Amino acid sequence: EVQLVESGGGSAQPGGSLRLSCAASGFTFSSYSMNWVRQAPGKGLEWVSYISSSSTTIYYADSVKGRFTISRDNAKNSLYLQMNSLRDEDTAVYYCAEAYGGNFEYWGQGTLVTVSS
Amino acid sequence: EIVLTQSPGTLSLSPGERATLSCRASQSVSSSYLAWYQQKPGQAPRLLIYGASSRATGTPDRFSGSGSGTDFTLTISRLEPEDFAVYYCQQYGSSPMYTFGQGTKLEIK
Repeated sequence: EVQLVESGGGSAQPGGSLRLSCAASGFTFSSYSMNWVRQAPGKGLEWVSYISSSSTTIYYADSVKGRFTISRDNAKNSLYLQMNSLRDEDTAVYYCAEAYGGNFEYWGQGTLVTVSS
Repeated sequence: EIVLTQSPGTLSLSPGERATLSCRASQSVSSSYLAWYQQKPGQAPRLLIYGASSRATGTPDRFSGSGSGTDFTLTISRLEPEDFAVYYCQQYGSSPMYTFGQGTKLEIK
């Protein structure tokens, strides 16, 4: 059974940093590209970042470019999101999601990030 | 940037009725890369339809997807109580890499 478990969410002040993690199991993690998708409270879904299976290709949404860094450790079956220079508008539930063929087939349960002074 | 616009914003129907949800793209989208998701409160989204019309594993056959180019539709033939949720369309392939529609809330009338 595929499982994606996020952790690392919490509260941060504007300008602060947080690092999210996603532990994967039940599939060959090193063979799949991964993504972070977020959802602000009461709002819709927003794609945040993509990383290819071997980390050679990385993309970011314009809203986080230059502030967030996606990475992965295939030996540890883990995905990360380093979030710096946090803003109020980064407040959201952050999901890690495996995307195969352009679709997000598997999702974690999400971790809440709250940015507030 | 491709923008996906879903309509209506809220759809009020009764169990047993037919639901038709629309997703319109600002530019042509490859049918291979148009998907639909269902999200219930407090849960992660669930993939329902991919490739515009293919049902994902576990999707009941009362759900069907259609469309091409800029106009796509999710149809639920006969609503069951568990179908009342928020539905999102999503495209892949143009910068930004993935975009979602703003969602349609399907509520019980």
